[in-house]
Amino acid sequence: KQEVTQIPAALSVPEGENLVLNCSFTDSAIYNLQWFRQDPGKGLTSLLLIQSSQREQTSGRLNASLDKSSGRSTLYIAASQPGDSATYLCAVQYGGSQGNLIFGKGTKLSVKP
Amino acid sequence: NAGVMQNPRHLVRRRGQEARLRCSPMKGHSHVYWYRQLPEEGLKFMVYLQKENIIDESGMPKERFSAEFPKEGPSILRIQQVVRGDSAAYFCASSPPAFSDTQYFGPGTRLTVL
Repeated sequence: KQEVTQIPAALSVPEGENLVLNCSFTDSAIYNLQWFRQDPGKGLTSLLLIQSSQREQTSGRLNASLDKSSGRSTLYIAASQPGDSATYLCAVQYGGSQGNLIFGKGTKLSVKP
Repeated sequence: NAGVMQNPRHLVRRRGQEARLRCSPMKGHSHVYWYRQLPEEGLKFMVYLQKENIIDESGMPKERFSAEFPKEGPSILRIQQVVRGDSAAYFCASSPPAFSDTQYFGPGTRLTVL
């Protein structure tokens, strides 16, 4: 069964701290892995997409890594800000570019000023 | 280019009523996905449609739920005889007809069943 797990479920940090969110998946035959941000009552915003052939992707203060063999991905957020407070979702796609996404339950991040 | 539109944003129904959720994909997109997010749960895939075709409905409950994406107009997710367990956020995503790794998500419809 293809499952995605995210730990921790919730995280609270002071402003300015660097932090790491974790995602693991049971089936390593992924097509790609994506990190999303979800704000309360809002839709999903795509942050980073890593193809199965890639090791990492970077965007601004965000860096996502992928280790297919171990079934793990991490999202690194540098110099966290209160505006980073949101739920971060990891999603894995199998079966090619038209396949559906399998989501983890997310990590709820709170950055305290 | 407007994003994925969903309406209504909030929908309240009593048990036994019907719920109709609408999704207008981004311009030029012909692929639509529906996902459901139950309270304290992750998003779960329900159905994948292309214009006038259901491609994958492996995540749809066998009863009371149906989806369509007609040649003209929005995609519709229909829930008949709603029960309290149907209360959730329903998200629609769209992608273009050519190979695309990205699904663009709408803001969701939050269904509450009283």
